[in-house]
Amino acid sequence: DTAVSQTPKYLVTQMGNDKSIKCEQNLGHDTMYWYKQDSKKFLKIMFSYNNKELIINETVPNRFSPKSPDKAHLNLHINSLELGDSAVYFCASSQATWAGGAGTDTQYFGPGTRLTVL
Amino acid sequence: AQKITQTQPGMFVQEKEAVTLDCTYDTSDPSYGLFWYKQPSSGEMIFLIYQGSYDQQNATEGRYSLNFQKARKSANLVISASQLGDSAMYFCAMREGLGGANFGNEKLTFGTGTRLTIIP
Repeated sequence: DTAVSQTPKYLVTQMGNDKSIKCEQNLGHDTMYWYKQDSKKFLKIMFSYNNKELIINETVPNRFSPKSPDKAHLNLHINSLELGDSAVYFCASSQATWAGGAGTDTQYFGPGTRLTVL
Repeated sequence: AQKITQTQPGMFVQEKEAVTLDCTYDTSDPSYGLFWYKQPSSGEMIFLIYQGSYDQQNATEGRYSLNFQKARKSANLVISASQLGDSAMYFCAMREGLGGANFGNEKLTFGTGTRLTIIP
């Protein structure tokens, strides 16, 4: 069973369109994330949700709107797509634990969605 | 200043040799975690190994080990007995702060990656 899944894997669309990417995790984690990997392979956080609550919103244009219907799902909707939005978008999930001054968490990534805006 | 620095954009290593991928980090937070991920040409991000800032021993996972030198703020990945399947991009990442009511804020900051090519 896939732990973190994303659909679609590839998305090709015209400038100005609206599109969504879906993410689901079956790990029982409380926290989910969206990352963007640009053409130079640089990965940057976009959003995080903890138990359906938005925690991180990292100066992303408001054309990007994440939605978490439940803690196993985090979707990304993008309005009015621009050429610069072309990238690979990764969903990830984690379950942070904290005990006596030491914490541990690992983020597990989905397979990525390659978005190409023409 | 860069929070995570990977100074080797590319490396070529002979099969079966050991390889060290460099990573230095910058943080003033006493609680942090360091991660290495592998990204093969197929594109997925595969978690390899984790080191917590309070861990006393270097992390190991099979052929992977993390050479954690806290005073020097370095967290190099060592791959022993390299294989052709190790050819990939490798990313070092750091998570600062953890705990209390702060769950959900554990974003990873990534380095620029090292492209490792194993030569038969």
